[in-house]
Amino acid sequence: AQSVTQPDIHITVSEGASLELRCNYSYGATPYLFWYVQSPGQGLQLLLKYFSGDTLVQGIKGFEAEFKRSQSSFNLRKPSVHWSDAAEYFCAVRNAGNMLTFGGGTRLMVKP
Amino acid sequence: EAGVTQFPSHSVIEKGQTVTLRCDPISGHDNLYWYRRVMGKEIKFLLHFVKESKQDESGMPNNRFLAERTGGTYSTLKVQPAELEDSGVYFCASSQAGTPYNEQFFGPGTRLTVL
Repeated sequence: AQSVTQPDIHITVSEGASLELRCNYSYGATPYLFWYVQSPGQGLQLLLKYFSGDTLVQGIKGFEAEFKRSQSSFNLRKPSVHWSDAAEYFCAVRNAGNMLTFGGGTRLMVKP
Repeated sequence: EAGVTQFPSHSVIEKGQTVTLRCDPISGHDNLYWYRRVMGKEIKFLLHFVKESKQDESGMPNNRFLAERTGGTYSTLKVQPAELEDSGVYFCASSQAGTPYNEQFFGPGTRLTVL
């Protein structure tokens, strides 16, 4: 069965600092991987996705993620965090039937 | 273009009562999904409609939950009778069939509290 682990429940960074959110997955085939963000009162918004090809994928809002098959990881990064990035971030893997399996989420707080 | 909408945004009911959640997908999206997040847990898949048919309902927790999508447009999720453990946020998502990535667009969720 597929699964996703986000080891960090909470992360606090200073505005302007770099960010890396960890995601590890378990899936039998080539994974389709996603990062979503949820701001307060909003739905889940897709940041980026990986299906195949270049293992470094660019997303919206200056985010990127790198797929590392050998480590079963898909970590999300941003070089300089803005206060508006404070939100909850979810990593997910999709199966052949379009079902998404999510990690537990990482709540990001940004210090001024 | 309107996104996925859900109604109500919040619902507070007592144990044993019935609640019906509604989801309006993006116009033209044949795929509709329900997910939920109970307190402190991860978001979990409930079921998937393709038009009006249930494609996959493997995530439905028990027979107190009934999902419908009459006419292949909006969907409802009824919980009857509600139990304390049903509290959480219920998300709906939709996607367009035939697109390369089948991106799921999510609604804001309905927060259900069962007292």
